[in-house]
Amino acid sequence: QKEVEQNSGPLSVPEGAIASLNCTYSDRVSQSFFWYRQYSGKSPELIMSIYSNGDKEDGRFTAQLNKASQYVSLLIRDSQPSDSATYLCAVNIGSYKLIFGSGTRLLVRP
Amino acid sequence: KAGVTQTPRYLIKTRGQQVTLSCSPISGHRSVSWYQQTPGQGLQFLFEYFSETQRNKGNFPGRFSGRQFSNSRSEMNVSTLELGDSALYLCASSLNTGSNTGELFFGEGSRLTVL
Repeated sequence: QKEVEQNSGPLSVPEGAIASLNCTYSDRVSQSFFWYRQYSGKSPELIMSIYSNGDKEDGRFTAQLNKASQYVSLLIRDSQPSDSATYLCAVNIGSYKLIFGSGTRLLVRP
Repeated sequence: KAGVTQTPRYLIKTRGQQVTLSCSPISGHRSVSWYQQTPGQGLQFLFEYFSETQRNKGNFPGRFSGRQFSNSRSEMNVSTLELGDSALYLCASSLNTGSNTGELFFGEGSRLTVL
């Protein structure tokens, strides 16, 4: 079982819709969770971090964490074509090691 | 504030050769992590350095090594190159003020092609 799992997609949504990206992780002691966005041909960039159960909102982005279910998600409201990218879930499993999922490709249709 | 700088950006090597990649972190960042990114495997953790000490390493063979200098700049080396080493090598720096930090700032990467 992979340490961090994501559906590879592509997830296709119309412009203005809510995009929901999901991630599960296997290490129960993980304490911090991150979402990175990677445009084609570019490097990953951090868009959200979440450390405790519940929701964390930042603009159009909401990260949700459920440690009991070992599940973290990212919601993108009012999706724009510029949001089309690969979204990487990352989990800090301790000992200074950040593990990435394989990413979900999001396509926002105009 | 300058970002993470990686050199060289592109390089082509042949099997059996070795390669050294360089990374200059954001000023003030003392933690440097290295990742290998391939289409099939995604981002794979290579190692992490802080204050010249390797604090963790991923599941890569001993051909992959790295080091960090007193000015936080880091290098990684791959010896006896294999075709499968062709990848984008990404360096990321962070303040890493605690063991829970995963807020990384990535460089543009060094794309290695092994022929």
